[in-house]
Amino acid sequence: QPALTQPASVSGSPGQSITISCTGSSSDVGAYNYVSWYQQRPGKAPKLMISEVSNRPSGVSNRFSGSKSGNAASLTISGLQAEDEGDYYCSSYTSSHSWVFGGGTKLTVL
Amino acid sequence: QVHLVQSGAEVKKPGASVKVSCKASGYTFTGFYMHWVRQAPGQGPEWMGWSNPLSGDTHYAQKFQGRVTMTRDTSVSTAYMELSRLRSDDTALYYCARTTVLTPGGFDYWGQGTLVTVSS
Repeated sequence: QPALTQPASVSGSPGQSITISCTGSSSDVGAYNYVSWYQQRPGKAPKLMISEVSNRPSGVSNRFSGSKSGNAASLTISGLQAEDEGDYYCSSYTSSHSWVFGGGTKLTVL
Repeated sequence: QVHLVQSGAEVKKPGASVKVSCKASGYTFTGFYMHWVRQAPGQGPEWMGWSNPLSGDTHYAQKFQGRVTMTRDTSVSTAYMELSRLRSDDTALYYCARTTVLTPGGFDYWGQGTLVTVSS
């Protein structure tokens, strides 16, 4: 049972915006601003898309943005493109000095 | 550029041990924590623990305490993860990934993954 809860799937049409939620607890998401998001394509390692709730690493499109409120975090992708398809995972640092991941959300671009 | 290159796939019998390596290049090996994350087929990632290449300190997820050992050899910029008493549910892709020492942020670089298959 993953520690962080994500919807199993989301979908959207090209050009639309979608949001993926990530719900944790006061011991992880709610405790620190150390939530990160990863994109994973089939057969590839996860790729960091957002770190520390809302920071985009160099090279990541500004169509990706992150936010947090209480024990829940969100990833928003605007101007959806076919290349955005894949699995998305959230992760958080925890009060026990460990990291936890969500179960993943499959994004389909219609 | 940063690269994390892992050792090749392994097939082990239940009860055996496996040791996976992760060779780092393109950055100062001792300046970043090295983590190990595994991903079972069709599942999300699962964090296993980290090692500090500078000090040798380690911190393991409670689930793996007593079964996992993370070490490093700074002379060859390589981190290692050994998992013992393997079971069939340890079959997974094992990744190394780094984070900065300063803040417990995101895993910014990952290895290519090492498939460990546990089967009798």
